[in-house]
Amino acid sequence: RKEVEQDPGPFNVPEGATVAFNCTYSNSASQSFFWYRQDCRKEPKLLMSVYSSGNEDGRFTAQLNRASQYISLLIRDSKLSDSATYLCVVNGGYGQNFVFGPGTRLSVLP
Amino acid sequence: EPEVTQTPSHQVTQMGQEVILRCVPISNHLYFYWYRQILGQKVEFLVSFYNNEISEKSEIFDDQFSVERPDGSNFTLKIRSTKLEDSAMYFCASSEMYRVGEETQYFGPGTRLLVL
Repeated sequence: RKEVEQDPGPFNVPEGATVAFNCTYSNSASQSFFWYRQDCRKEPKLLMSVYSSGNEDGRFTAQLNRASQYISLLIRDSKLSDSATYLCVVNGGYGQNFVFGPGTRLSVLP
Repeated sequence: EPEVTQTPSHQVTQMGQEVILRCVPISNHLYFYWYRQILGQKVEFLVSFYNNEISEKSEIFDDQFSVERPDGSNFTLKIRSTKLEDSAMYFCASSEMYRVGEETQYFGPGTRLLVL
């Protein structure tokens, strides 16, 4: 079983749409969870950390379900600038390394 | 806003040659990392470094790879004898601490390595 799995994508949505990404992880010892975005041929950039209680940052909402080992990201009122690959990232249990999912590509269309 | 920098942005080398990729982490960060991303694939962890020693490494990080912090600012990744399959984007990252809630890693822009 892969360590971090994500919706395969790509997602093509019109501007203003709401889109949700799903992610599951296999290591129950993971303590920290993140969503990063990656533009084509660029570095991953932190979008938001994901906390147990769920958290929101403007149009972005992240949820964590530890029992199901599931993380989600909701983007409301999507903009053209949201077009990118969204990476689900978890820490490697008690290690320091980050484990990346394969990413889900989003294209927001005018 | 402080950021991680990497040089060079692109490197082309012949198979069997040594390459050194350089990174300047964010100045107050204590943990440093190298990741790689083969074109079209996911980001993969190579190594983490703290207090002048390797703290964790993946199975990708074999004897051909080494890391060093030669001075107070640079963090380098050396590949001794490059192979074709080493062609990838190499990202350096740093984090302030390793404690839940403070371990966010910030990534540099990457070095694109092409081995011919």
